[in-house]
Amino acid sequence: DTGVSQDPRHKITKRGQNVTFRCDPISEHNRLYWYRQTLGQGPEFLTYFQNEAQLEKSRLLSDRFSAERPKGSFSTLEIQRTEQGDSAMYLCASGYGGANYGYTFGSGTRLTVV
Amino acid sequence: AQKVTQAQTEISVVEKEDVTLDCVYETRDTTYYLFWYKQPPSGELVFLIRRNSFDEQNEISGRYSWNFQKSTSSFNFTITASQVVDSAVYFCALSEAETGNQFYFGTGTSLTVIP
Repeated sequence: DTGVSQDPRHKITKRGQNVTFRCDPISEHNRLYWYRQTLGQGPEFLTYFQNEAQLEKSRLLSDRFSAERPKGSFSTLEIQRTEQGDSAMYLCASGYGGANYGYTFGSGTRLTVV
Repeated sequence: AQKVTQAQTEISVVEKEDVTLDCVYETRDTTYYLFWYKQPPSGELVFLIRRNSFDEQNEISGRYSWNFQKSTSSFNFTITASQVVDSAVYFCALSEAETGNQFYFGTGTSLTVIP
C-alpha cells in the first residue's frame, strides 16, 4: 500500500489548453474524491465516486470539468479550455465510506494556467 | 455561510512553546464529525484526528491534544512543546451525517515554529 498517488505533481499550461490529471487510490478503497484548493484556502469538494459511479458533483464543477473512474480503480480529472481561475492544487482522496469515516489524501497536482 | 472558521491565519511560536489552534464550526445536524488535518509543504493532507458529535471527551496523543466543546461549537487543537517539524498549515474540517460525502474545511492556520 503506497497511499494515494497523483500524477503529475505540477502542470503548467497555457490558457485554453486541455489538461488531464490522474489519481491512483489505495487499492481496497471503494470511494474516491476530488477536491480543489486555491492559495490560502481550504480544500473544496468537487466530486466523488463510489466504485465506477460518479454520485455527486459540486456546483464548482463547471461544464469544462469532467471526471471518470473506469473500472472503479484509478480516476482522471480533465479540464477543457483552461482559464487562469483554474490555477489551484487538485487533491484526490480515497476511503472506504463517506467523509464521516475520514479518508486518505494524495499530495495533489498543482496546476498553473498562464 | 462558512461552516468551519479558523480565525487564526498565521501563528509563529518559538520552539518548545505551547500553541493552540482554534476551530469553530456551524451545523444543524445532530450527528457530525470533526477532523484535523496537517498540510506540510509537500502538499499532502495528513490525518490527525476524527471526533464524532456524541463524544466530547478530550483526547491526548503525545504532544497533541484536542478540546471539543459543543456548547461553544469549538474543536481546538493544542500542540505542547512545539517543534520545528510541526511547522505546517493545519485544517479543521466538518462532515455532516446527512450529507456525509464531503468535508467542509476551514481556511487553515499556518503555523511556523522558530528554532
